Amino acid sequence: AQTVTQSQPEMSVQEAETVTLSCTYDTSESDYYLFWYKQPPSRQMILVIRQEAYKQQNATENRFSVNFQKAAKSFSLKISDSQLGDAAMYFCAYRSLEYGNKLVFGAGTILRVKS
Amino acid sequence: DAGITQSPRHKVTETGTPVTLRCHQTENHRYMYWYRQDPGHGLRLIHYSYGVKDTDKGEVSDGYSVSRSKTEDFLLTLESATSSQTSVYFCAISDPGSRNTEAFFGQGTRLTVV
Repeated sequence: AQTVTQSQPEMSVQEAETVTLSCTYDTSESDYYLFWYKQPPSRQMILVIRQEAYKQQNATENRFSVNFQKAAKSFSLKISDSQLGDAAMYFCAYRSLEYGNKLVFGAGTILRVKS
Repeated sequence: DAGITQSPRHKVTETGTPVTLRCHQTENHRYMYWYRQDPGHGLRLIHYSYGVKDTDKGEVSDGYSVSRSKTEDFLLTLESATSSQTSVYFCAISDPGSRNTEAFFGQGTRLTVV
């Protein structure tokens, strides 16, 4: 079974600085998707960025980028120029393309942004 | 926003009573999921459905059952609620026919079992 591990329960960053959230996963599949979701206090689940495993190029969405290391099964999220609105819980997620297209989540990282 | 609605949004119930949570979608997505969110555990899959009347268990399915009689509705039932089932429940939908589609989530249901 696939597992996702987020080893940082909490992280803090100064406004305008850069922070990296870590995520590792375990799978025997060769093709899959990886995601980072943001959950603000409203509980809404918001997609931040996605990565297709067959693409070597790291995904980027404005201030958000990933470092995808397929061999190491690592998928970290870098947030540049952090803003107060980035404060939230961040979840790393793995989507299987074989077993019911299930999304498996990590335990989450709380990101605090200091002004 | 994806058309996905959960009801109720909040519920308090007593131990031993049955509870049904409803997820309704207007996107005609084939896959629907029920997750529970607890501190320190992230979101854990309870059950999922890959079509009408086609369902399967997730990692924390004990004490839960589901039904999907129509494409748009996915029901989660706690046959006899226990305090350990106090949690926030999320429904999600996805369309595997589109490789670039992530899962879309409902707003969540906070369930308290007293």
